[in-house]
Amino acid sequence: GAVVSQHPSRVICKSGTSVKIECRSLDFQATTMFWYRQFPKQSLMLMATSNEGSKATYEQGVEKDKFLINHASLTLSTLTVTSAHPEDSSFYICSAIAPSGGARTDTQYFGPGTRLTVL
Amino acid sequence: TQLLEQSPQFLSIQEGENLTVYCNSSSVFSSLQWYRQEPGEGPVLLVTVVTGGEVKKLKRLTFQFGDARKDSSLHITAAQPGDTGLYLCAGNAGNMLTFGGGTRLMVKP
Repeated sequence: GAVVSQHPSRVICKSGTSVKIECRSLDFQATTMFWYRQFPKQSLMLMATSNEGSKATYEQGVEKDKFLINHASLTLSTLTVTSAHPEDSSFYICSAIAPSGGARTDTQYFGPGTRLTVL
Repeated sequence: TQLLEQSPQFLSIQEGENLTVYCNSSSVFSSLQWYRQEPGEGPVLLVTVVTGGEVKKLKRLTFQFGDARKDSSLHITAAQPGDTGLYLCAGNAGNMLTFGGGTRLMVKP
């Protein structure tokens, strides 16, 4: 199956600093990537849809100026958490759509996640 | 807004027992995917069901997509401790995934 990587896997930062998380599709090109946030013992919540070469589409309630998304190439999307606060501490997961090769539906493949802790 | 209700939320069973997880919605999905997630890791795709009434088997796991493509079930036969984890269903509409709330399964030896 398709492989998606994330870096870093874990990051601890001070309140007020910015943190960048990278999401890469390793063996396929992804025109669309997604960013999710998952709080402990909860399911995944979609934050935004990242489209290569265009602006990201944010879900309701997600501040676009706080969570900056850049999808500069077909294999890389980045999420920057600006002026991080303790309430931004969470597990951030990206996914990428792999081409289905003629199948009826494309499949999202997920990265391993990034654990962000803001002190 | 499309919602997926997943049940049960938690399930603790003994090794060897059978179980079923349900995923229900009032919306129609083009496909539905089941994932399993370990703590501190991303979800791993188990199966994608596309056709109404479709049944797929993956070893001891049986996945079914409802005829109307609004609901799905995951049945595990003779559960093993290695099946412990968070199971997530996700409905696909226009390449956007809507996740159910998840079922946290614990299989005791």
